[in-house]
Amino acid sequence: DGGITQSPKYLFRKEGQNVTLSCEQNLNHDAMYWYRQDPGQGLRLIYYSQIVNDFQKGDIAEGYSVSREKKESFPLTVTSAQKNPTAFYLCATRYTQYANTGELFFGEGSRLTVL
Amino acid sequence: SQQGEEDPQALSIQEGENATMNCSYKTSINNLQWYRQNSGRGLVHLILIRSNEREKHSGRLRVTLDTSKKSSSLLITASRAADTASYFCARFLYNQGGKLIFGQGTELSVKP
Repeated sequence: DGGITQSPKYLFRKEGQNVTLSCEQNLNHDAMYWYRQDPGQGLRLIYYSQIVNDFQKGDIAEGYSVSREKKESFPLTVTSAQKNPTAFYLCATRYTQYANTGELFFGEGSRLTVL
Repeated sequence: SQQGEEDPQALSIQEGENATMNCSYKTSINNLQWYRQNSGRGLVHLILIRSNEREKHSGRLRVTLDTSKKSSSLLITASRAADTASYFCARFLYNQGGKLIFGQGTELSVKP
């Protein structure tokens, strides 16, 4: 099946630990995105990548890091520098051949709780 | 913040009624999109309206865009209990490397 797979779905971590969230896609989309969602709020952009080996900071990149070594994968690391990491994290992809559209396809999310 | 404003934040209606959600923004757009999110799930794209369009329909959905007022509205007609979800508008910024900026969302509850 074509789609976007985020793992793990639920993750608990202790303060001071880094954690990496996985996002894998087989849609052959060039662009990938990471958003953070807090309860009752909208999505805030963390990082995005238009092509392999290139990515840009979004509005709330501090305390996060990403890599884009393969087209299919865009892992997000939540570092210990992120002050309030407990949130719902959403990965999305976009087909960039139609430059002026921008429709995003989303994974099912990863819920991170810091204990 | 580049995030837009959506109102109302929450809307509760009866099945069969229409639901209208509004979205305002501050910067120029290439297009504006609406998404739906069921509780605890990922978002699903509903409809896209380009900056040179004023109105668009898709099934029971009607979207309008007023670029002079920098606002958009989503109308869901003849609502059903299954329409209960959060709805978000999102602005596509092509000249900023393909960023998509989301609003705060409207939580819609449709009572049977």
